Amino acid sequence: GAVVSQHPSRVICKSGTSVKIECRSLDFQATTMFWYRQFPKQSLMLMATSNEGSKATYEQGVEKDKFLINHASLTLSTLTVTSAHPEDSSFYICSASAGRGEKLFFGSGTQLSVL
Amino acid sequence: DAKTTQPPSMDCAEGRAANLPCNHSTISGNEYVYWYRQIHSQGPQYIIHGLKNNETNEMASLIITEDRKSSTLILPHATLRDTAVYYCIVRPNTNDYKLSFGAGTTVTVRA
Repeated sequence: GAVVSQHPSRVICKSGTSVKIECRSLDFQATTMFWYRQFPKQSLMLMATSNEGSKATYEQGVEKDKFLINHASLTLSTLTVTSAHPEDSSFYICSASAGRGEKLFFGSGTQLSVL
Repeated sequence: DAKTTQPPSMDCAEGRAANLPCNHSTISGNEYVYWYRQIHSQGPQYIIHGLKNNETNEMASLIITEDRKSSTLILPHATLRDTAVYYCIVRPNTNDYKLSFGAGTTVTVRA
């Protein structure tokens, strides 16, 4: 099946710093990628939809200036958490659609801990 | 705006079939039923999807009622590694359409 690679798997940073998370589709081209956030014992919450070559579409309540998304190629989307604070600590997951959009494949997630 | 309803949890015995129900009474004609699962601290894993016919693959079977208002995911021989949160999601079958996750069903397979 299609593979989505997400990096890093875990990051610990100091409050106020920025963190970049990469999401790559390894064996297919993804015109659309999605970014999710998951807090402990909760379900996945969609943050934004990332389209190659255009601005991301953010869900209500998600700050676009804080969570910068770049989808510069058909195989790479990045999420940058700017000026991270402890409340941004969460599990971030990306997903991408292969082929005709029948299936979404997910990365393995990034556990962000902000001290 | 949850479009599906699932029981919060269920237990099943290792080696037995696990039947996971899902209600989606407001499903639209162009929406498919998708099932994903998430093992602790991992990204969700695709299991199966269908429109109106029953589907089977190497992981599971999906039974959709004739009126499409509910479905059942069947894991034929549950193993301990099937312990996960299972999500039933309805979604149009297009590239740019998001998956919206509800609370899912926490399935615990016991030896």
